[in-house]
This record gives sequence, structure tokens and C-alpha cells, in this order.
Amino acid sequence: AQSVTQPDIHITVSEGASLELRCNYSYGATPYLFWYVQSPGQGLQLLLKYFSGDTLVQGIKGFEAEFKRSQSSFNLRKPSVHWSDAAEYFCAVLGSSNTGKLIFGQGTTLQVKP
Amino acid sequence: DTGVSQDPRHKITKRGQNVTFRCDPISEHNRLYWYRQTLGQGPEFLTYFQNEAQLEKSRLLSDRFSAERPKGSFSTLEIQRTEQGDSAMYLCASSFPGQGYGYTFGSGTRLTVV
Repeated sequence: AQSVTQPDIHITVSEGASLELRCNYSYGATPYLFWYVQSPGQGLQLLLKYFSGDTLVQGIKGFEAEFKRSQSSFNLRKPSVHWSDAAEYFCAVLGSSNTGKLIFGQGTTLQVKP
Repeated sequence: DTGVSQDPRHKITKRGQNVTFRCDPISEHNRLYWYRQTLGQGPEFLTYFQNEAQLEKSRLLSDRFSAERPKGSFSTLEIQRTEQGDSAMYLCASSFPGQGYGYTFGSGTRLTVV
């Protein structure tokens, strides 16, 4: 069965520092992968997605992610974090191409220190 | 594009009462999803509609849960005889087939059962 693991429950970085959030997936075929961000009390916003092709994908708000099949990973990165990036981040894999159902990881909470 | 609207934003109910939530998707989106998110966890898939047809239901959707999308537009999620374990954020999302997966989420309805 497909699954997503986000090993880091909570990460703190200083404003201006670089960021990497880890995501590992379990999926038999080529996965469709997503990163979402959720601000407190809000719904989820799509940051970026990977279906095929270039393994480095660019997203909104200066985020990028790299798909590494050999490591079953899809890590999210940002070169310089802003205080407004503090939020919860979810990695997800497409569970069904027929329905579009997503399987989410448990999330990583990002805290940004001034 | 007014986004995905959910109503109410918050609901507090006593155990054993019935509650109903409403979701208004983006108007041209024919796919609609419900997810449940408990504290500290990622969203979990509940059910999927294509137009008015409910095409997939999760095992999480017990007999006390029912969802409808009568005219292929708005959707309702009803929980009968609520239990404390039903306390969660209920998220609605919508998409259209050409969107390439990755959908638009609403802000959610937070249910607290006391």
C-alpha cells in the first residue's frame, strides 16, 4: 500500500537560513508527489507537484523539491526562509489515478526564529 | 474563482447530536473530496464525488457518516450520533480532470464534540 513518511515532526530554523523538509514515500510505480502548506486554522495550499520529467520541480513562494527514485524521497527546499513561512507542511502521494485520492504524511511543523 | 467554501467554520456539539457540514466547490469543478484531519496528523481521505456520483468511500466513513452531492454542485457531510472521536477538522476539496491532480482545499470545518 502507498504511504508517506515525514521523519521530522517539528523543525526550527532561523530567518534567512536554508530549509529542507524530508519526505519518503512507498509506492510501486512512478509516484505522483505533492507538497502542501497549511497555516494555522486554514486549509491546505498546493506548493508544488511532481508527475514526471525533470526531477527538480519549482513551486510557489520560492520552494522547490527534488524527486530521488533511488532514495524514495521528495524533499522540499527553500534557500532562505522568511518568517511568513512558519506553518505546517504536508507531503502527499497520489493514491488513485482514477479518483485523485491523496495519501498524506503526518506533517512537519516549521518554526522560524527571528 | 471564489475558492472552495465550507460552512460552518466551527461547530461545537454535544455527544450524541447530529451535525451537517456544507461544502461549495469551485463552480466548474466536477470532482469533490472530503478529508478528515485530527490534531497533529495529515488529512485522511473520506470520500470522493464525480458530479453527483459518490465513487469511493473510505473505511473511515462509518455508518454514522453520510455524504451527498445532490446536483453535482455543493456537498453535505452529515455525522449522526456524534462521538468525541469525531472531533477533527473536516476539509473539502475540489478539482476538474484537466487540473492534473492536486486540488483546491477549503478552509475546513472544525468540529468539537463535548
